[in-house]
Amino acid sequence: AQSVTQLGSHVSVSEGALVLLRCNYSSSVPPYLFWYVQYPNQGLQLLLKYTTGATLVKGINGFEAEFKKSETSFHLTKPSAHMSDAAEYFCAVSETPRGGSNYKLTFGKGTLLTVNP
Amino acid sequence: DGGITQSPKYLFRKEGQNVTLSCEQNLNHDAMYWYRQDPGQGLRLIYYSQIVNDFQKGDIAEGYSVSREKKESFPLTVTSAQKNPTAFYLCASSIQSGTFQETQYFGPGTRLLVL
Repeated sequence: AQSVTQLGSHVSVSEGALVLLRCNYSSSVPPYLFWYVQYPNQGLQLLLKYTTGATLVKGINGFEAEFKKSETSFHLTKPSAHMSDAAEYFCAVSETPRGGSNYKLTFGKGTLLTVNP
Repeated sequence: DGGITQSPKYLFRKEGQNVTLSCEQNLNHDAMYWYRQDPGQGLRLIYYSQIVNDFQKGDIAEGYSVSREKKESFPLTVTSAQKNPTAFYLCASSIQSGTFQETQYFGPGTRLLVL
């Protein structure tokens, strides 16, 4: 089974500083990778996703992520943090259950981003 | 506007009681999902459905049941067999075009608390 590891359950940055949220996955086949954001007491919203092609993926709100197969990583970055970026971020990988052709997401445990003024 | 609605926003369950969480979508998506979210645990899949009248267990289906009688609706029942139901429950849907690239769209969630 595929798995996702998000390094750091809590990341704190100053407003205007670089945001780096780390995600590593395990997979025996090329994965599809996603980053979602969750604001307090709300559902999840897709930030960006990698399927095939260009390994640097740009998403909404100035975020981007780079798929590095050799490092099995898909880290999320933003050059300059804004107060509105404070939220929880989830990395996810697509997975096919054994014997099936269904689409299923496996999520990491999440990283809470705090932005300090 | 298209989207996913979940109701109620907060739900209280008494000991031994079954409760049902509603999930409705008007996105014309074939696939629907239920996730449970606990602090520090990420999201865990409870049940999913690719098509009307069909659904499969996810990773933590024990103590839960679902139905899919209409394409738009995928209600989740938390039964008395679920001994630790306090959590945030999220419903999602996707187009289910048969590829692995589909985005899942999430509802706003229902927070279930035990009295």
